[in-house]
Amino acid sequence: QKEVEQNSGPLSVPEGAIASLNCTYSDRVSQSFFWYRQYSGKSPELIMSIYSNGDKEDGRFTAQLNKASQYVSLLIRDSQPSDSATYLCAPSSGNTPLVFGKGTRLSVIA
Amino acid sequence: DVKVTQSSRYLVKRTGEKVFLECVQDMDHENMFWYRQDPGLGLRLIYFSYDVKMKEKGDIPEGYSVSREKKERFSLILESASTNQTSMYLCATQSSENIQYFGAGTRLSVL
Repeated sequence: QKEVEQNSGPLSVPEGAIASLNCTYSDRVSQSFFWYRQYSGKSPELIMSIYSNGDKEDGRFTAQLNKASQYVSLLIRDSQPSDSATYLCAPSSGNTPLVFGKGTRLSVIA
Repeated sequence: DVKVTQSSRYLVKRTGEKVFLECVQDMDHENMFWYRQDPGLGLRLIYFSYDVKMKEKGDIPEGYSVSREKKERFSLILESASTNQTSMYLCATQSSENIQYFGAGTRLSVL
């Protein structure tokens, strides 16, 4: 059984701070990693993908991957109240269904 | 832009009714999925399909069936709706890069 673990939160950060979201996964053959954002009552939307070890930056978002430790993280710099949402981690291993974590709820306090 | 359209945003049905949830995509993706999402339980995979007329059970297929007669359309069927099937249902497609794209969701209430 493939497992994806995320801290459910809520993670509360003040506006302008860095939010750090973490994810560990059990499937060692995972090759692609995705972060989805889900606002309350809405469907998940992709915000970041990462495929190799190291950091990948996109605007205020940075994804970090360490395959040896089976760990992927998402950093949100200069957090805004509009970033308040649930963030889902999803590793992928080939042409199989993504396995989603249960998500971390982020609350950015103005 | 990938478009995944679910036929209804909100649906109210009675116990024992047969319920059809429709999903249509316009991106020619081979892979399509049905999930349900409940508070505290995350996304749970019900059924998926990698090709027309092909279906695979996910983690919680009991009480559900699916139909994929055309590549762009994937239907979820509740043969006899029960109150424990009250949930948010999400359809998704998956690209060749393994990125999933979701529809807006259907919030189903079974009374």
